[in-house]
Amino acid sequence: KTQVEQSPQSLVVRQGENCVLQCNYSVTPDNHLRWFKQDTGKGLVSLTVLVHENDKTSNGRYSATLDKDAKHSTLHITATLLDDTATYICVVGDRGSALGRLHFGAGTQLIVIP
Amino acid sequence: AQTIHQWPVAEIKAVGSPLSLGCTIKGKSSPNLYWYWQATGGTLQQLFYSITVGQVESVVQLNLSASRPKDDQFILSTEKLLLSHSGFYLCAWSPGTGGYAEQFFGPGTRLTVL
Repeated sequence: KTQVEQSPQSLVVRQGENCVLQCNYSVTPDNHLRWFKQDTGKGLVSLTVLVHENDKTSNGRYSATLDKDAKHSTLHITATLLDDTATYICVVGDRGSALGRLHFGAGTQLIVIP
Repeated sequence: AQTIHQWPVAEIKAVGSPLSLGCTIKGKSSPNLYWYWQATGGTLQQLFYSITVGQVESVVQLNLSASRPKDDQFILSTEKLLLSHSGFYLCAWSPGTGGYAEQFFGPGTRLTVL
């Protein structure tokens, strides 16, 4: 059973527009949640990590929220650039230690067009 | 600075043939090491992790094995490839300490089994 669900599956936006990606999960315990960016055929790059109930983070044009009660997170990308075209993956860690299991979502494929 | 290198970049192999994928981490002693697999269009799955030389724990085997012959080296292998082994293999490392330690991913190896 999929424990991390992301929506939408894919999204097309025009350069300069904002977009919001959603992540719902059922992982228990939910120690932390991380958003990754994966360029096609490449490794994952961490964008931000959320740890506490109602955490909010900001990293340049990326901002994220976490609602642990609802087991829900959002990733906001403002003023999108063509280089933002990638797959964005939500990952929930079930432990605080480095040996905790990571649970991956299938990703949202974002395409930014001119 | 730490660097993570995976080899080969891509491989095309026949069903039933052996496989060996490698991963090395430079600039970090005693890292935790991980292997992940992503079927084409699929979700990342953790396969193995290792916290020290000579010790490897299996999460999902998929008829593969892993070994850690040196502190900075992690090997993924099988004696007989299956069609289902095709996909994208990612190696990652994290600091050998607690907390929601970030995992740093390599560039990946694309495997096609024919």
